[in-house]
Amino acid sequence: AQRVTQPEKLLSVFKGAPVELKCNYSYSGSPELFWYVQYSRQRLQLLLRHISRESIKGFTADLNKGETSFHLKKPFAQEEDSAMYYCALSGAGAGSYQLTFGKGTKLSVIP
Amino acid sequence: ETGVTQSPTHLIKTRGQQVTLRCSSQSGHNTVSWYQQALGQGPQFIFQYYREEENGRGNFPPRFSGLQFPNYSSELNVNALELDDSALYLCASSLGGATDTQYFGPGTRLTVL
Repeated sequence: AQRVTQPEKLLSVFKGAPVELKCNYSYSGSPELFWYVQYSRQRLQLLLRHISRESIKGFTADLNKGETSFHLKKPFAQEEDSAMYYCALSGAGAGSYQLTFGKGTKLSVIP
Repeated sequence: ETGVTQSPTHLIKTRGQQVTLRCSSQSGHNTVSWYQQALGQGPQFIFQYYREEENGRGNFPPRFSGLQFPNYSSELNVNALELDDSALYLCASSLGGATDTQYFGPGTRLTVL
């Protein structure tokens, strides 16, 4: 079974401070990991995926297979980063069609 | 390019009733996935349709069923509604690869009384 755990429901940081949103996963094969973001009154949208290895809006995430983690990081938080963040996993082969989401972390950036 | 649209925006039903939710895919997308998002939870996968065929299903009972039409729009039907079916129902479309980026609609808020 595949599972995604986001241990923090709410994370508050000051503007300019570093941000790390934690994500751990459980999957027996080689997963594909994603971060989705939902800004206030907007729809859920993809922020980044690990195979792209790119930085979006200053955010990066590295897949650590040894620790089964895919933490989202940003060195300097901005007020516009305040949103709900969801980590998601897709398996390879059977079940690859299915995105499994964590419960989400609400990031609040304090001015 | 038209994004994913869903209708209705919200609706209220009573226990035991049936409901149909609709989704129009983003232009050019032939795959539609449906998710249920209960309050305070992440989206939970219901099923996916690829070129009018069910391509996979999550842990939902058979009273949750779906359809995909030749224009790749889709319906989610829920029979014998229960109170726990109250949730936001999200539709997402993608180009067709199993791990292609999924583009989400705004959702339909269903309340079961």
